[in-house]
Amino acid sequence: ILNVEQSPQSLHVQEGDSTNFTCSFPSSNFYALHWYRWETAKSPEALFVMTLNGDEKKKGRISATLNTKEGYSYLYIKGSQPEDSATYLCAFNFKRLGSARQLTFGSGTQLTVLP
Amino acid sequence: NAGVTQTPKFQVLKTGQSMTLQCAQDMNHEYMSWYRQDPGMGLRLIHYSVGAGITDQGEVPNGYNVSRSTTEDFPLRLLSAAPSQTSVYFCATKLRLAIADYEQYFGPGTRLTVT
Repeated sequence: ILNVEQSPQSLHVQEGDSTNFTCSFPSSNFYALHWYRWETAKSPEALFVMTLNGDEKKKGRISATLNTKEGYSYLYIKGSQPEDSATYLCAFNFKRLGSARQLTFGSGTQLTVLP
Repeated sequence: NAGVTQTPKFQVLKTGQSMTLQCAQDMNHEYMSWYRQDPGMGLRLIHYSVGAGITDQGEVPNGYNVSRSTTEDFPLRLLSAAPSQTSVYFCATKLRLAIADYEQYFGPGTRLTVT
């Protein structure tokens, strides 16, 4: 069983604060790491897909880093806004010989940005 | 492009009833999958398909059947609904499973209640 752990489970920040969350995953058989943003009553939307150790990706005020050797990824939000309130999911893609490479999801970090 | 569509959006079933959740995509994606989302848990994979005529089980397949007769459609069948199948169901697609960089696209979800 592959465990993808996300911390914290939930987070409340004030508008304008910067924040970050962690995704931990097994460091062996790494293939890819996905981050999704999931707003209430909507479906998850892909933010980043990262495949290489040391990858850094950025989309506006949101960025992510990847360390495949130690098995973690950080998601950063700079200057949080109320519209950033959502659950942020990470998902781990692993290599498995002779079989498809499925995504295993963490349970998410629920971010609330207070105005 | 409609992307990934799911019907119905909501459904209430009695224990023992059967039904089919529909998923359709118009992006010519090879890979299609079904997840269920339960409170406090990450998205869990039920079944997936890497192409027409090819399906396989995910993490939680019991009580569900799938088929993939066309590239566009991937219906999920509940054979005899049980209260434990009360959940939100998401269909997700990806252009090709084997390419690590590709994003996965989610449908809007079906909220199912079994009484």
